[in-house]
Amino acid sequence: KQEVTQIPAALSVPEGENLVLNCSFTDSAIYNLQWFRQDPGKGLTSLLLIQSSQREQTSGRLNASLDKSSGRSTLYIAASQPGDSATYLCAVTRYGGATNKLIFGTGTLLAVQP
Amino acid sequence: GAGVSQTPSNKVTEKGKYVELRCDPISGHTALYWYRQSLGQGPEFLIYFQGTGAADDSGLPNDRFFAVRPEGSVSTLKIQRTERGDSAVYLCASSLAGLFTDTQYFGPGTRLTVL
Repeated sequence: KQEVTQIPAALSVPEGENLVLNCSFTDSAIYNLQWFRQDPGKGLTSLLLIQSSQREQTSGRLNASLDKSSGRSTLYIAASQPGDSATYLCAVTRYGGATNKLIFGTGTLLAVQP
Repeated sequence: GAGVSQTPSNKVTEKGKYVELRCDPISGHTALYWYRQSLGQGPEFLIYFQGTGAADDSGLPNDRFFAVRPEGSVSTLKIQRTERGDSAVYLCASSLAGLFTDTQYFGPGTRLTVL
């Protein structure tokens, strides 16, 4: 059974710092991996999607990497801002699965202090 | 519509009662998903619809949970004989065709509290 873990569970940094969020998964047979952002009382917003054949994806100040063989992904946020404060979730879809249902990690709660 | 909408945004009920949660997907999306997020946890898959049919209901925890999508658009998640452990945020998502390359767009969720 696929299990997705995120470390740390919570992180607080001063504004302007670069930071890394970690995601690990137990079964390397994935189709893709996504990073989501969740704001209180709101739904999930997809930030980056990495196909299993890719090593990384970039969007603005965000860079996500994927090492499928070791079962790890990282989300790098450059020059953090208070507006980045949210819960960050990673999720995988199982390769060969009948559907593209997402298997989520437990999330990292990020607080960027002004 | 502009995005996935869910109603109500909050629902408080008593143990043993029946509740219905509604999801309006993005217009034209044939794939619809329900997830449940307990406090401090990531969302967990419940059920997936392709059109009107439930293509994967492997995440439904027991037979008190049921979902329908009779016309292939709006979906209703139904919970019978609610228990305190059902308290969670219920999230709905839709995607264009349910392909592995399709992005899932999430609604804001319904927060269910069972007293």
